[in-house]
Amino acid sequence: GNSVTQMEGPVTLSEEAFLTINCTYTATGYPSLFWYVQYPGEGLQLLLKATKADDKGSNKGFEATYRKETTSFHLEKGSVQVSDSAVYFCRRYGGSQGNLIFGKGTKLSVKP
Amino acid sequence: GAVVSQHPSRVICKSGTSVKIECRSLDFQATTMFWYRQFPKQSLMLMATSNEGSKATYEQGVEKDKFLINHASLTLSTLTVTSAHPEDSSFYICSARDPRAGGWDFEQFFGPGTRLTVL
Repeated sequence: GNSVTQMEGPVTLSEEAFLTINCTYTATGYPSLFWYVQYPGEGLQLLLKATKADDKGSNKGFEATYRKETTSFHLEKGSVQVSDSAVYFCRRYGGSQGNLIFGKGTKLSVKP
Repeated sequence: GAVVSQHPSRVICKSGTSVKIECRSLDFQATTMFWYRQFPKQSLMLMATSNEGSKATYEQGVEKDKFLINHASLTLSTLTVTSAHPEDSSFYICSARDPRAGGWDFEQFFGPGTRLTVL
């Protein structure tokens, strides 16, 4: 079935370091892809999205490019801040039933 | 953007009691809402899809008699955990589909979640 595979955490970085969180998806159909962020004790917030191949989603310094050739949607940020500490979820949506599929989440901790 | 609220944010109850969690879309009418469960350090698991005015559609393995879902209006869906037990302790999150979002039916907005602890 359809799935999303996300790199396991936790990821610990120093402030201003470069961040990459990998996400790959099953290629069935033409899914839309999303990254969500969950701050401690809160619900999910949409961070960015891409609806077709080669689209780049961006928000708050984060970017992710929908790459069909590698079935990937890796999340990147050039310089992380302490306030970016959260859990990040990759999500796949597509198909007749919707397929509301989330990755397992990657916890990011940024140290000052 | 669209706002979804949940109430309560935290609830502690005794084993055997029932707990109701509300999910409201504050500035839009949501014909479809979703209920998720999140275990510690794990992803969200879709429990059910709630459609206004009709029965909820439950995912495989979710007990419909234990997790009662009611979507009586376009802005409110409720999840009732009946005869709660400690293993039901979890973080429950709802989301709502905003039909105004350019026709994309994947556009969901999430509530802040409800932490349920069953003693």
